[in-house]
Parts: sequence; C-alpha cells; structure tokens
Amino acid sequence: AAGVIQSPRHLIKEKRETATLKCYPIPRHDTVYWYQQGPGQDPQFLISFYEKMQSDKGSIPDRFSAQQFSDYHSELNMSSLELGDSALYFCASSYGPISGNTIYFGEGSWLTVV
Amino acid sequence: AQRVTQPEKLLSVFKGAPVELKCNYSYSGSPELFWYVQYSRQRLQLLLRHISRESIKGFTADLNKGETSFHLKKPFAQEEDSAMYYCALMNQAGTALIFGKGTTLSVSS
Repeated sequence: AAGVIQSPRHLIKEKRETATLKCYPIPRHDTVYWYQQGPGQDPQFLISFYEKMQSDKGSIPDRFSAQQFSDYHSELNMSSLELGDSALYFCASSYGPISGNTIYFGEGSWLTVV
Repeated sequence: AQRVTQPEKLLSVFKGAPVELKCNYSYSGSPELFWYVQYSRQRLQLLLRHISRESIKGFTADLNKGETSFHLKKPFAQEEDSAMYYCALMNQAGTALIFGKGTTLSVSS
C-alpha cells in the first residue's frame, strides 16, 4: 500500500540558507500535518492543512511557511536557517480531520544545518 | 491544558518479563489517545488507539479516566519490542496530535 512520501530524505544546509521539504500524502488523503523532532526530543506539531486550507498551527517559527497544493501535496519552506533547526521533519496524512481517522506518518526528512 | 506525560525516559526489561509503559494526560472532556512506536528513528507507526480497543503485537492499553492514564502493557516482552514508544493525545480542536516525551523500551535476553 502506498505510504506518505517525503523528499528529500536527507538535506544539509548552511546557516541562513533556505530549505524546502516536500510531502506527498497517501492517495485520497486530504489532510496533511508537519512535525519537527529534534535530537532526543518528542515530535512537535508545526502546522496542518485540510483541503488546501491551514487547519491548525503549532510551534512553527515565523521563518517557516507551508502550503498544501491542489494535488494535496504539501511543502514546508524554511528560511534563514539556524543550527537549532536541525531535526527530523515528519509529514503525516489522514483522510479528513484527525478525529475518528488514523494519521499516517512518512519516513521523515533529516535536515542538518551547519 | 492539554498535555501528555510519560514519566519514564527509559525502561529496561528482560525478555519474557511484563512491560508497562506509563502515560498520563491532562484534558478537558473525553480524550482520544494513541500509542505510536518508532524503531531506530524510522517513521512513527500507530500501535493502537483507545477507541478501537484492539491489541497489536500483544500490547494493550486501557483508558482510565479516574487516573487520567493510558498505560501500555504487554505480558511478555520480546527483543523486537525494543523501540521508542510515544503516547499521544488528540488536541481539543481535533486537528493535531500532542505527543509525550517518549519512553525508550529496551528488551534484552
């Protein structure tokens, strides 16, 4: 069965650079979530989208932005990267809002800022 | 406030021993709770959710509203159970999961 696809799997950027992470949800899933997991940390919710509209916002820095496109894939744009942005970024998807539905996670994108 | 607390950072047991991973929550109303497992920094996989009351890989969890707990249990641990376990709570808006800090389970022979 198709899963949540994230790209790239690994990314190395320098401080103050920008990075874009992509997420392709499971087919027919219309809701996408982004999480950030720092080294040894629990996943922190960043932002979510339902039917291409932002549905909720968590601890996403102002330097970050995201959107969901007409084909339901989502991109997380990160600018002015800082060392502390180094983390595993998970994307997840569900069919409809999470309540009553299962949320499936991708493998994650490793971002290293040097 | 909506919060998930996993008091144990690491739990080490021997193969065949019973396991209980603790999870306490803070929530107004009826919570929706989940357990996710993460093997060696792979993707988070849903282990179980309290509304389905199912048992996966021998794990069970019962919601105790009086104690605001959702502890994960398995009667006989296996080495392949070694992983990071996260307890998660659906937020009030029903739009995101709030994760606990996680507990690393280490099962040795």
